[in-house]
Amino acid sequence: DGGITQSPKYLFRKEGQNVTLSCEQNLNHDAMYWYRQDPGQGLRLIYYSQIVNDFQKGDIAEGYSVSREKKESFPLTVTSAQKNPTAFYLCASSPTGGIGSPLHFGNGTRLTVT
Amino acid sequence: SQQGEEDPQALSIQEGENATMNCSYKTSINNLQWYRQNSGRGLVHLILIRSNEREKHSGRLRVTLDTSKKSSSLLITASRAADTASYFCATDAGGSNYKLTFGKGTLLTVNP
Repeated sequence: DGGITQSPKYLFRKEGQNVTLSCEQNLNHDAMYWYRQDPGQGLRLIYYSQIVNDFQKGDIAEGYSVSREKKESFPLTVTSAQKNPTAFYLCASSPTGGIGSPLHFGNGTRLTVT
Repeated sequence: SQQGEEDPQALSIQEGENATMNCSYKTSINNLQWYRQNSGRGLVHLILIRSNEREKHSGRLRVTLDTSKKSSSLLITASRAADTASYFCATDAGGSNYKLTFGKGTLLTVNP
């Protein structure tokens, strides 16, 4: 089955530690995205990538970093500089980055930092 | 910046009833999309309606778009317990998907 796999489902870290969230897709999509979801809030865009070896900051990129070395992989690192990292993180992809191209989402990683 | 806002925030109905959720936005759009999210899961795309369309159907889903009022509605007919989820609208005004703006969602509970 084609889809997006996020791992792990739950992640616990101590404050001050960097942590990397995995996102892999086998849909052959060019564009990939990372969103953050907080309780009762809409999704906020962290980073997006429209093509391999290229990525752009979204609305809340501070304290996060990404890489796009392979078409199918778009890992997100939550650094110690992120002031409030506890959240539900969603990875998505679309065939292109153009409008009218629906997003396909993974099932998310819930990160808890204490 | 523009944002889709869903209304109501929460809706509870009985199985078999219809459910209507609304979305309002602030500036002109190219497309409006509706997504569903089951608790603790990712979002699933339901339907996309373009700015030059007024109504669209998909199975038990009916979406309307009124660009003059900057609003959209999602109707789920003959609801089932499995329809229990949060529903989000997403609007885009720019030329790329990274301009998608998601609302805060409507939590729909369908009681058996």
